[in-house]
Amino acid sequence: SQKIEQNSEALNIQEGKTATLTCNYTNYSPAYLQWYRQDPGRGPVFLLLIRENEKEKRKERLKVTFDTTLKQSLFHITASQPADSATYLCALARDYQTGANNLFFGTGTRLTVIP
Amino acid sequence: NAGVTQTPKFRVLKTGQSMTLLCAQDMNHEYMYWYRQDPGMGLRLIHYSVGEGTTAKGEVPDGYNVSRLKKQNFLLGLESAAPSQTSVYFCASRSGGPNTGELFFGEGSRLTVL
Repeated sequence: SQKIEQNSEALNIQEGKTATLTCNYTNYSPAYLQWYRQDPGRGPVFLLLIRENEKEKRKERLKVTFDTTLKQSLFHITASQPADSATYLCALARDYQTGANNLFFGTGTRLTVIP
Repeated sequence: NAGVTQTPKFRVLKTGQSMTLLCAQDMNHEYMYWYRQDPGMGLRLIHYSVGEGTTAKGEVPDGYNVSRLKKQNFLLGLESAAPSQTSVYFCASRSGGPNTGELFFGEGSRLTVL
C-alpha cells in the first residue's frame, strides 16, 4: 500500500523566511498530489493541486513542486507570516481516470511562524 | 454558504452504544467521504460514495456502516461503539469528473467512547 511521509511533525521558522515542507511517497506514482491546510479544531482546507505531468505550481506566496523520479513533493511558503502557522497535509490520488480517485493523506507537518 | 455540515460536533458514548453521524453538503457533489483522524495516523478513509445509493469501503471500514439515500447526505453509523473508535471524524465531498480533485471538508465530529 502507499506510504506517505511528511518530513517532520513540526517546523519552526522566523517570520519573513521561506518555509519548505516535504512529502515523500513510496510505491505507485499518484495521478496528482494535493496540499491542505488544517487549523486546530477545524477541517482541512484545500490549497493546491499538482498533476503528475506538472513540475511546479504557484498560488500567491505558495509554490508546490512534484518530482516523480524522487517520489517527492515540496511545498514552499515564501515571506511567511504568523498567520501561516497551521498543520499542512499532503494527499495523493492514485488514478483520476477510474473509480472514486480516493485521496490518501500524510500525517502532516505543524508549521509555526515566529514573529 | 454552508458547504459541508456535520452533526453532532461532539458526542460521548459508552462502549456498546450505537450512534449515527450525519453529513450534509449543499454543493450538489457526487462524491462523499468519511475519514477519521487520530494523532500520528493522519486522515484515514473509512467509507465513501460515488453517488446517490452507492457506498464502498475505504481503508478502515470495520465497525462502521454508511448510507447515501439522498445525494446531499452521507450517514456514518456505529452499531456497537468501541474505545478504539474514539477519534475525530471528518466528512468531505467533491464534484464528479476526473479533473476535479479538491475535497471540501466539514468541521469534524469529535467522538469519545468510554
